[in-house]
Amino acid sequence: DTAVSQTPKYLVTQMGNDKSIKCEQNLGHDTMYWYKQDSKKFLKIMFSYNNKELIINETVPNRFSPKSPDKAHLNLHINSLELGDSAVYFCASSQQRGYNSPLHFGNGTRLTVT
Amino acid sequence: DQQVKQNSPSLSVQEGRISILNCDYTNSMFDYFLWYKKYPAEGPTFLISISSIKDKNEDGRFTVFLNKSAKHLSLHIVPSQPGDSAVYFCAASARNQGGKLIFGQGTELSVKP
Repeated sequence: DTAVSQTPKYLVTQMGNDKSIKCEQNLGHDTMYWYKQDSKKFLKIMFSYNNKELIINETVPNRFSPKSPDKAHLNLHINSLELGDSAVYFCASSQQRGYNSPLHFGNGTRLTVT
Repeated sequence: DQQVKQNSPSLSVQEGRISILNCDYTNSMFDYFLWYKKYPAEGPTFLISISSIKDKNEDGRFTVFLNKSAKHLSLHIVPSQPGDSAVYFCAASARNQGGKLIFGQGTELSVKP
């Protein structure tokens, strides 16, 4: 009965490869997010979708492309992986788009680029 | 330009005592603040929040205090329990930013029996 699930949990790959991380939520939430936790432990928003519509797109290299086939899924595709992409990526969802709607996070995907 | 800062990377407290975690912010447009708790290998989980129209919000053992003039908030846990040992993230958002949360870098709390 996992609320927000993301796969894989660990991803080790070489520079230059293309990889995807999948996320699904069964909470019936309208809004989904991708956050990146870097080596300094800061959690930074990358993207947000509301009912399949992109609403937040932070300054992220265009090698990162989110895709939301429906409001329960938000996948993250990364092209031409670089060493600096190594981080933990968290998917999250919230009931509403509003600023005061708490996020529910998945357990993260640890990406290591060698 | 880190808008939300948690200046203490770690805190150690004895079981039964009070834990106080601090958070400072710089953006005066922030009007909603949240605390999240994170265990290793898990995602952050929502703990408690406070709107800028309040200066205190309490939920069981957890109380968040907001001092808008000082741009400072704190999370009090009393009494602290070993199961509270985790990383605590402070986060802030603004009404005009469409749900974007800005997180601090976290404080690792260790509650010793």
